[in-house]
Amino acid sequence: EDQVTQSPEALRLQEGESSSLNCSYTVSGLRGLFWYRQDPGKGPEFLFTLYSAGEEKEKERLKATLTKKESFLHITAPKPEDSATYLCAVQTNQAGTALIFGKGTTLSVSS
Amino acid sequence: SQTIHQWPATLVQPVGSPLSLECTVEGTSNPNLYWYRQAAGRGLQLLFYSVGIGQISSEVPQNLSASRPQDRQFILSSKKLLLSDSGFYLCAWNIPGGDRVYGYTFGSGTRLTVV
Repeated sequence: EDQVTQSPEALRLQEGESSSLNCSYTVSGLRGLFWYRQDPGKGPEFLFTLYSAGEEKEKERLKATLTKKESFLHITAPKPEDSATYLCAVQTNQAGTALIFGKGTTLSVSS
Repeated sequence: SQTIHQWPATLVQPVGSPLSLECTVEGTSNPNLYWYRQAAGRGLQLLFYSVGIGQISSEVPQNLSASRPQDRQFILSSKKLLLSDSGFYLCAWNIPGGDRVYGYTFGSGTRLTVV
């Protein structure tokens, strides 16, 4: 069965304290891995798509990387406005067009 | 540019009452459309998806149903709500990509509380 596991469930950082969020996956053929940001009470907002191992994408303080078993979302010098839940999702050869989501990591950045 | 509209934003309904949530997409044709439910501690659960008018695939057996009467309109319904139907409902769309994979764009969500 295809699975996506995110860790940690929650992460508290001080402003400027860099860290990484993990998304590990067990799937039957990865077509793409997606990162989303979700603020409370709102729909998820697209951040990155990664397609193959070794690929990296960057946006402001965020950098996403992909290996054959996991993806990392690195947050460099975070600010309080980076506080949100970060969701990882995969699309596989078996799942048609549907995305399989992890449960997310809730990040809190304090000043 | 493409936009997605979802309404209402919040809804409080009694047990046993009917439900209708609507989602429309603008600025694109023949999108794939999706309904997800997000419950606390359980992540995003795919409920239905549609690749075309009248084509609905159900992922989870439940008392909910979905319809796609027009190309860019997706409706989630129930004849009789249960307490367990409470949650945050999200509509999403993406481009049919064939070999290419495209991420979803989500609506703003509907918070449903069944009382």
